[in-house]
Amino acid sequence: QQPVQSPQAVILREGEDAVINCSSSKALYSVHWYRQKHGEAPIFLMILLKGGEQKGHDKISASFNEKKQQSSLYLTASQLSYSGTYFCGTEFWGSQGNLIFGKGTKLSVKP
Amino acid sequence: NAGVTQTPKFRVLKTGQSMTLLCAQDMNHEYMYWYRQDPGMGLRLIHYSVGEGTTAKGEVPDGYNVSRLKKQNFLLGLESAAPSQTSVYFCASSPLTGRGETQYFGPGTRLLVL
Repeated sequence: QQPVQSPQAVILREGEDAVINCSSSKALYSVHWYRQKHGEAPIFLMILLKGGEQKGHDKISASFNEKKQQSSLYLTASQLSYSGTYFCGTEFWGSQGNLIFGKGTKLSVKP
Repeated sequence: NAGVTQTPKFRVLKTGQSMTLLCAQDMNHEYMYWYRQDPGMGLRLIHYSVGEGTTAKGEVPDGYNVSRLKKQNFLLGLESAAPSQTSVYFCASSPLTGRGETQYFGPGTRLLVL
């Protein structure tokens, strides 16, 4: 049931763009995205709900393909502060309120 | 608001010892969660609670017990610690419905079992 994230790691230069994908084998109620810096707690970025509603960050966008049970996080014009590990958390129908997290994507932004 | 706080921040245990991790939140959230995070594994749900007096098992509940006697507190207990329980433990809370809601995480407790 754990969602699959890709890529596992990515290295960018400042100003470059990145896409992180999250794929589930089960029908999803929502997809949550979090960013975690080393030694810190995960921080909320975005929620995408079935039906198209989104809640979250102004400078980060995401999509949710309900038919394919996939979500993508788009990081544009990356900044050094974007470095960290990104996790998607999937919320399934029938177990709403609980998240199953992927293994994470480590993003490194270099000057 | 302090948000979600966790006590202690770091602890070393010997195999077979017991301990309790405390999570407290001051946001009046109904839902609370305990996760463990191991390298390369992401966050895995141990137990959760949908309200005061209720608890339920998550993905990896074995070896742990929980209690939610007060709405603002969620305790995680290890009755007989094992080296496999060496991990970083995060507590989180979420508002009333829990569905499609942000989870707010505490700073984590680093546990080393020798």
